[in-house]
Amino acid sequence: SQQGEEDPQALSIQEGENATMNCSYKTSINNLQWYRQNSGRGLVHLILIRSNEREKHSGRLRVTLDTSKKSSSLLITASRAADTASYFCATAKVIKAAGNKLTFGGGTRVLVKP
Amino acid sequence: DTGVSQNPRHKITKRGQNVTFRCDPISEHNRLYWYRQTLGQGPEFLTYFQNEAQLEKSRLLSDRFSAERPKGSFSTLEIQRTEQGDSAMYLCASSAGGIFQETQYFGPGTRLLVL
Repeated sequence: SQQGEEDPQALSIQEGENATMNCSYKTSINNLQWYRQNSGRGLVHLILIRSNEREKHSGRLRVTLDTSKKSSSLLITASRAADTASYFCATAKVIKAAGNKLTFGGGTRVLVKP
Repeated sequence: DTGVSQNPRHKITKRGQNVTFRCDPISEHNRLYWYRQTLGQGPEFLTYFQNEAQLEKSRLLSDRFSAERPKGSFSTLEIQRTEQGDSAMYLCASSAGGIFQETQYFGPGTRLLVL
């Protein structure tokens, strides 16, 4: 079953605007990660935020985590047409021998119009 | 290219046939994962290897599915007697690093279509 649920499911914005998407989850986590997937391709890791962190930045990306509300948000500032993709949050839980099982949400499909 | 590679990229097969996919992880990564992604959904965990040992399997991995990582390097995922419901993208990921900040690096996936 999918733990993370993204909101909105789809987002259409103009180039230069900011895009915000949210993720909610149900159980305790070690960390939460965001991935990007271009149509029909593999996933690209964007950013990881640990359960004891509240905010993290990477370039034009800003991620927040609120463990009390079991939610996270991803903000992409000054969007570009190349940001058009599906974005997934994934919660990580430790499994045997230091592995991490990622549980993904259904994704937010972002369209950035030039 | 030193990323995760998967072969083939696309596979079309008839129901009832067996298929095998290969994943070559990043060379120094000892952890390897398989996920399955159906259209419009996020990936779902299938199984996990550390080196050659398969340590975790999802209930999604029915007895028609088998995965191996014989020498702790590349891995194969075999589906026997394929069914139309097996149509999906099969993703492989590898990782290394600390337990609480592990980053999984994904390959491009193998898209399977069962007719």
